[in-house]
Amino acid sequence: QKEVEQNSGPLSVPEGAIASLNCTYSDRVSQSFFWYRQYSGKSPELIMSIYSNGDKEDGRFTAQLNKASQYVSLLIRDSQPSDSATYLCAVRDDKIIFGKGTRLHILP
Amino acid sequence: GAVVSQHPSWVICKSGTSVKIECRSLDFQATTMFWYRQFPKQSLMLMATSNEGSKATYEQGVEKDKFLINHASLTLSTLTVTSAHPEDSSFYICSAPLVGNSYEQYFGPGTRLTVT
Repeated sequence: QKEVEQNSGPLSVPEGAIASLNCTYSDRVSQSFFWYRQYSGKSPELIMSIYSNGDKEDGRFTAQLNKASQYVSLLIRDSQPSDSATYLCAVRDDKIIFGKGTRLHILP
Repeated sequence: GAVVSQHPSWVICKSGTSVKIECRSLDFQATTMFWYRQFPKQSLMLMATSNEGSKATYEQGVEKDKFLINHASLTLSTLTVTSAHPEDSSFYICSAPLVGNSYEQYFGPGTRLTVT
């Protein structure tokens, strides 16, 4: 059974600080990794995708991938209250497998 | 980014009736679409994979005769919840991937179904 694991949270981070979200996956051959943001009552929105080891930056977001450790993370710099949401990690094999999400709460 | 629409955005129906939900890819063709269900405060649950021109592939535990999927064109997939019951009340979301190297998946806005 292929799995994607995330801490459910809630993770509380002060406004302006760095929020760090983590995800591990079980299938070594996974090639594509994604982070989605989901606001309450809304559908998920793609934030970042990453395919090779290392860091990928897009604005305030940085995705980090370590295939040897089967670990992918998302850093959010200068956290804003509008970043408060559930963040879903997803890994692609023959289909996309989602983690259960981490609830992030940015404290004003 | 790619746009996926869903219709209706919300629907209330009586127990025993059927409800059809449409999922459209607006600016790209999607030979595959995915249907998810999400109960309050729970994660996405993949129900089925919709394949253009062929039968859908259902996940274990999902009744194919209850959740009818039709993928009649490269831009449209429909999910029909037949003989709906209150326990079918949920948030139904479709998604379509941009096939290629990225396989990024784009979600529709979702349909909130309430069965009374």
